[in-house]
Amino acid sequence: AQSVAQPEDQVNVAEGNPLTVKCTYSVSGNPYLFWYVQYPNRGLQFLLKYITGDNLVKGSYGFEAEFNKSQTSFHLKKPSALVSDSALYFCAVRGDTGRRALTFGSGTRLQVQP
Amino acid sequence: GAGVSQTPSNKVTEKGKYVELRCDPISGHTALYWYRQSLGQGPEFLIYFQGTGAADDSGLPNDRFFAVRPEGSVSTLKIQRTERGDSAVYLCASSLSPGPSYEQYFGPGTRLTVT
Repeated sequence: AQSVAQPEDQVNVAEGNPLTVKCTYSVSGNPYLFWYVQYPNRGLQFLLKYITGDNLVKGSYGFEAEFNKSQTSFHLKKPSALVSDSALYFCAVRGDTGRRALTFGSGTRLQVQP
Repeated sequence: GAGVSQTPSNKVTEKGKYVELRCDPISGHTALYWYRQSLGQGPEFLIYFQGTGAADDSGLPNDRFFAVRPEGSVSTLKIQRTERGDSAVYLCASSLSPGPSYEQYFGPGTRLTVT
Protein backbone atom coordinates (compact mmCIF):
# COMPACT_ATOMS: atom_id res chain seq x y z
CA ALA A 1 0.00 0.00 0.00
CA GLN A 2 1.11 3.55 -0.56
CA SER A 3 0.30 6.65 1.46
CA VAL A 4 1.13 10.32 1.78
CA ALA A 5 1.02 12.53 4.85
CA GLN A 6 0.85 16.29 4.78
CA PRO A 7 1.01 17.16 8.47
CA GLU A 8 -0.01 20.82 8.14
CA ASP A 9 -3.51 21.80 7.10
CA GLN A 10 -2.35 25.38 6.59
CA VAL A 11 0.94 27.22 6.29
CA ASN A 12 1.13 30.99 6.72
CA VAL A 13 4.10 33.00 5.49
CA ALA A 14 4.80 36.63 4.78
CA GLU A 15 5.47 37.71 1.22
CA GLY A 16 9.18 37.61 0.47
CA ASN A 17 9.92 35.00 3.12
CA PRO A 18 10.92 31.42 2.30
CA LEU A 19 8.23 28.78 2.45
CA THR A 20 8.19 25.05 3.11
CA VAL A 21 5.25 22.68 2.71
CA LYS A 22 5.91 19.28 4.24
CA CYS A 23 5.23 15.84 2.80
CA THR A 24 6.18 12.34 3.89
CA TYR A 25 5.34 9.17 2.04
CA SER A 26 5.22 5.40 2.19
CA VAL A 27 5.47 3.23 -0.92
CA SER A 28 6.71 -0.18 -2.03
CA GLY A 29 9.68 -0.08 -4.35
CA ASN A 30 11.17 3.09 -5.73
CA PRO A 31 9.12 6.24 -5.13
CA TYR A 32 7.94 8.63 -7.80
CA LEU A 33 6.85 11.85 -6.13
CA PHE A 34 4.82 14.75 -7.41
CA TRP A 35 3.58 18.14 -6.25
CA TYR A 36 0.41 19.70 -7.60
CA VAL A 37 -1.23 23.06 -6.91
CA GLN A 38 -4.95 23.76 -6.95
CA TYR A 39 -6.40 27.23 -7.30
CA PRO A 40 -10.07 27.89 -6.41
CA ASN A 41 -12.52 26.33 -8.87
CA ARG A 42 -9.71 24.99 -11.01
CA GLY A 43 -8.14 21.62 -11.59
CA LEU A 44 -4.83 20.41 -10.28
CA GLN A 45 -1.75 21.85 -11.93
CA PHE A 46 1.50 19.90 -12.05
CA LEU A 47 4.41 21.67 -10.34
CA LEU A 48 7.30 19.24 -10.24
CA LYS A 49 8.32 15.61 -9.84
CA TYR A 50 11.08 13.43 -8.48
CA ILE A 51 12.01 10.36 -10.49
CA THR A 52 15.64 9.64 -9.75
CA GLY A 53 18.95 11.45 -9.58
CA ASP A 54 19.43 14.80 -7.86
CA ASN A 55 17.61 15.09 -4.58
CA LEU A 56 16.73 18.73 -5.27
CA VAL A 57 14.28 19.11 -8.13
CA LYS A 58 13.16 22.38 -9.64
CA GLY A 59 9.73 23.06 -11.05
CA SER A 60 7.32 25.71 -12.20
CA TYR A 61 6.91 29.19 -10.71
CA GLY A 62 10.20 29.06 -8.79
CA PHE A 63 9.22 26.07 -6.66
CA GLU A 64 11.62 23.30 -5.78
CA ALA A 65 11.42 20.16 -3.67
CA GLU A 66 13.93 18.17 -1.73
CA PHE A 67 13.80 14.37 -1.73
CA ASN A 68 15.15 12.68 1.38
CA LYS A 69 15.15 8.91 1.16
CA SER A 70 16.12 8.19 4.75
CA GLN A 71 13.33 10.42 6.09
CA THR A 72 10.91 9.41 3.31
CA SER A 73 10.14 13.07 2.76
CA PHE A 74 9.60 15.32 -0.23
CA HIS A 75 9.15 18.86 1.08
CA LEU A 76 8.14 21.67 -1.26
CA LYS A 77 10.12 24.89 -0.96
CA LYS A 78 10.38 28.35 -2.44
CA PRO A 79 13.03 30.91 -1.50
CA SER A 80 10.72 33.94 -1.65
CA ALA A 81 6.93 33.61 -1.42
CA LEU A 82 4.48 35.65 -3.47
CA VAL A 83 0.90 36.51 -2.56
CA SER A 84 -0.11 34.78 -5.80
CA ASP A 85 1.34 31.51 -4.43
CA SER A 86 -1.63 31.29 -2.05
CA ALA A 87 -3.42 28.07 -3.01
CA LEU A 88 -3.94 24.44 -2.01
CA TYR A 89 -0.92 22.17 -2.47
CA PHE A 90 -1.02 18.40 -2.84
CA CYS A 91 1.80 15.90 -2.60
CA ALA A 92 1.35 12.58 -4.42
CA VAL A 93 3.24 9.33 -4.74
CA ARG A 94 3.28 6.20 -6.82
CA GLY A 95 5.66 3.27 -6.80
CA ASP A 96 7.33 1.45 -9.66
CA THR A 97 5.23 -1.62 -8.92
CA GLY A 98 1.55 -2.08 -8.28
CA ARG A 99 -1.05 0.63 -8.68
CA ARG A 100 -0.53 3.09 -11.56
CA ALA A 101 -2.66 5.80 -10.06
CA LEU A 102 -1.38 8.50 -7.77
CA THR A 103 -2.03 8.49 -4.05
CA PHE A 104 -2.52 12.01 -2.76
CA GLY A 105 -2.11 13.64 0.59
CA SER A 106 -4.93 15.62 2.14
CA GLY A 107 -3.49 18.92 1.00
CA THR A 108 -1.93 21.98 2.64
CA ARG A 109 -3.38 25.43 2.23
CA LEU A 110 -0.66 28.02 1.74
CA GLN A 111 -1.56 31.56 2.73
CA VAL A 112 0.95 34.26 1.81
CA GLN A 113 0.31 37.56 3.53
CA PRO A 114 1.32 40.85 1.88
CA GLY B 1 -2.21 22.92 -26.85
CA ALA B 2 -5.57 21.85 -25.49
CA GLY B 3 -5.62 20.38 -22.04
CA VAL B 4 -7.93 17.82 -20.49
CA SER B 5 -11.55 18.92 -20.76
CA GLN B 6 -14.52 17.72 -18.73
CA THR B 7 -18.23 18.23 -19.22
CA PRO B 8 -20.42 19.30 -17.65
CA SER B 9 -18.61 21.59 -15.23
CA ASN B 10 -21.51 21.32 -12.81
CA LYS B 11 -24.23 18.73 -12.49
CA VAL B 12 -27.13 18.78 -10.06
CA THR B 13 -29.28 15.68 -9.92
CA GLU B 14 -31.87 14.13 -7.68
CA LYS B 15 -31.19 11.11 -5.53
CA GLY B 16 -31.78 7.93 -7.49
CA LYS B 17 -31.11 9.42 -10.91
CA TYR B 18 -28.49 8.31 -13.44
CA VAL B 19 -25.63 10.62 -14.49
CA GLU B 20 -22.84 10.58 -17.05
CA LEU B 21 -19.66 12.59 -16.77
CA ARG B 22 -17.44 13.07 -19.79
CA CYS B 23 -13.67 13.43 -20.08
CA ASP B 24 -11.71 14.39 -23.19
CA PRO B 25 -7.99 13.74 -22.57
CA ILE B 26 -4.99 15.40 -24.16
CA SER B 27 -4.54 14.13 -27.69
CA GLY B 28 -2.09 11.23 -27.85
CA HIS B 29 -2.27 10.39 -24.17
CA THR B 30 -2.82 6.68 -23.79
CA ALA B 31 -3.48 6.56 -20.05
CA LEU B 32 -6.62 8.04 -18.53
CA TYR B 33 -7.56 8.23 -14.85
CA TRP B 34 -10.66 9.15 -12.89
CA TYR B 35 -10.43 10.51 -9.35
CA ARG B 36 -12.99 11.83 -6.89
CA GLN B 37 -12.30 14.75 -4.59
CA SER B 38 -14.48 15.46 -1.58
CA LEU B 39 -14.37 18.76 0.23
CA GLY B 40 -11.19 19.21 2.22
CA GLN B 41 -9.56 16.06 0.93
CA GLY B 42 -7.11 15.04 -1.73
CA PRO B 43 -8.24 13.26 -4.88
CA GLU B 44 -8.99 9.56 -4.50
CA PHE B 45 -8.43 7.10 -7.32
CA LEU B 46 -11.44 5.51 -9.01
CA ILE B 47 -10.37 3.84 -12.26
CA TYR B 48 -7.52 3.80 -14.77
CA PHE B 49 -7.62 3.06 -18.50
CA GLN B 50 -4.76 2.05 -20.72
CA GLY B 51 -6.13 2.42 -24.23
CA THR B 52 -9.68 1.12 -24.35
CA GLY B 53 -9.48 -1.26 -21.43
CA ALA B 54 -9.92 -0.60 -17.73
CA ALA B 55 -6.56 -1.68 -16.37
CA ASP B 56 -7.42 -1.00 -12.73
CA ASP B 57 -10.93 -0.36 -11.40
CA SER B 58 -10.13 -1.14 -7.79
CA GLY B 59 -11.04 2.37 -6.65
CA LEU B 60 -14.67 2.24 -7.76
CA PRO B 61 -16.69 2.34 -4.53
CA ASN B 62 -19.45 -0.05 -5.64
CA ASP B 63 -21.23 -1.46 -8.69
CA ARG B 64 -23.25 1.72 -9.20
CA PHE B 65 -20.12 3.23 -10.72
CA PHE B 66 -18.93 2.29 -14.19
CA ALA B 67 -16.67 3.87 -16.79
CA VAL B 68 -15.93 3.29 -20.45
CA ARG B 69 -13.40 4.45 -23.02
CA PRO B 70 -14.61 2.72 -26.20
CA GLU B 71 -12.21 4.25 -28.71
CA GLY B 72 -9.24 4.85 -26.47
CA SER B 73 -9.80 8.59 -26.23
CA VAL B 74 -12.91 10.10 -24.63
CA SER B 75 -14.10 8.46 -21.43
CA THR B 76 -17.46 8.51 -19.68
CA LEU B 77 -17.99 7.88 -16.00
CA LYS B 78 -21.48 6.57 -15.30
CA ILE B 79 -23.20 6.59 -11.93
CA GLN B 80 -26.48 4.75 -11.43
CA ARG B 81 -29.01 5.35 -8.65
CA THR B 82 -27.10 8.34 -7.34
CA GLU B 83 -26.89 8.90 -3.60
CA ARG B 84 -26.19 12.09 -1.65
CA GLY B 85 -22.83 10.63 -0.65
CA ASP B 86 -21.79 10.67 -4.31
CA SER B 87 -21.65 14.47 -4.21
CA ALA B 88 -18.05 15.48 -4.95
CA VAL B 89 -15.81 16.87 -7.66
CA TYR B 90 -14.94 14.21 -10.21
CA LEU B 91 -11.53 14.75 -11.78
CA CYS B 92 -10.16 13.22 -14.94
CA ALA B 93 -6.45 13.07 -15.75
CA SER B 94 -4.38 11.79 -18.63
CA SER B 95 -0.73 10.98 -19.17
CA LEU B 96 1.38 10.24 -22.22
CA SER B 97 2.21 6.82 -20.86
CA PRO B 98 1.19 4.80 -17.80
CA GLY B 99 4.81 4.57 -16.70
CA PRO B 100 5.42 5.79 -13.14
CA SER B 101 7.63 8.72 -14.16
CA TYR B 102 4.98 10.36 -16.32
CA GLU B 103 3.04 13.17 -14.73
CA GLN B 104 -0.72 13.26 -15.00
CA TYR B 105 -2.51 16.30 -16.34
CA PHE B 106 -5.85 17.07 -14.76
CA GLY B 107 -9.04 18.54 -16.12
CA PRO B 108 -11.02 21.21 -14.27
CA GLY B 109 -13.42 18.63 -12.86
CA THR B 110 -17.17 18.10 -12.75
CA ARG B 111 -18.87 19.16 -9.54
CA LEU B 112 -21.68 16.68 -8.89
CA THR B 113 -24.38 17.57 -6.40
CA VAL B 114 -27.00 14.98 -5.50
CA THR B 115 -30.05 16.47 -3.79
